[in-house]
Amino acid sequence: QLLLQESGPGLLKPSETLSLTCNVSGASVGSNSYYWGWIRQPPGKGLEWIGSVYYSGTTYYNPSLKSRVTMSSDKSKNQFSLKLSSVTAADTAIYYCARLAAATIKFDSWGQGTLVTVSS
Amino acid sequence: QSALTQPASVSQSPGQSITISCTGTSSDVGASDYVAWYQHHPGKAPKLLIYEVSYRPSGISNRFSGSKSGNTASLTISGLQAEDEADYYCTSYTDSTTLVLFGGGTKLTVL
Repeated sequence: QLLLQESGPGLLKPSETLSLTCNVSGASVGSNSYYWGWIRQPPGKGLEWIGSVYYSGTTYYNPSLKSRVTMSSDKSKNQFSLKLSSVTAADTAIYYCARLAAATIKFDSWGQGTLVTVSS
Repeated sequence: QSALTQPASVSQSPGQSITISCTGTSSDVGASDYVAWYQHHPGKAPKLLIYEVSYRPSGISNRFSGSKSGNTASLTISGLQAEDEADYYCTSYTDSTTLVLFGGGTKLTVL
């Protein structure tokens, strides 16, 4: 059974760097069949794709966030991570990690989400 | 790229059918067979309903169906039930650099 679990600080101050990790069980982040990515949902708003990382290390980012986002994966720990720099209150959101099937571009498995709040 | 355009909200009575549209451009929805739909209940993980325009994953009710015409994809839900009340999102492959676009989401109310 595939499980994705987000972890990381739930409270940040403005200008800090958000760092989240998604631990994967039941599949390998080293598989060439999938991208591994992050999606967020600010309060009262819709889902927003942040970006995805491929097994090769190639990354794909939402152009609107690209200047602040870094993603990577660690095959030895079977996890992938998100860093978002210079956060503001607008980055307050539920952050989901998810698996994106490469052949069909479908998010077929999601974590439960973790709330990150940015507040001074 | 801009997000795909969905109606902000729709409503319908139980037992009826509803169609939610997802409009993009000739560079994304119009050019791609990789359109997907997701159901999202608040506080839960989104759930894949439709992929590749019209295919249902195992376990998804055949009350959910997808189609596409030109730059607009559609999700139809038939025999509406109270449990269908949720937010619905479309996605589309866009290009090899950006990868995927999301729709703005549609809130479905079952009256």
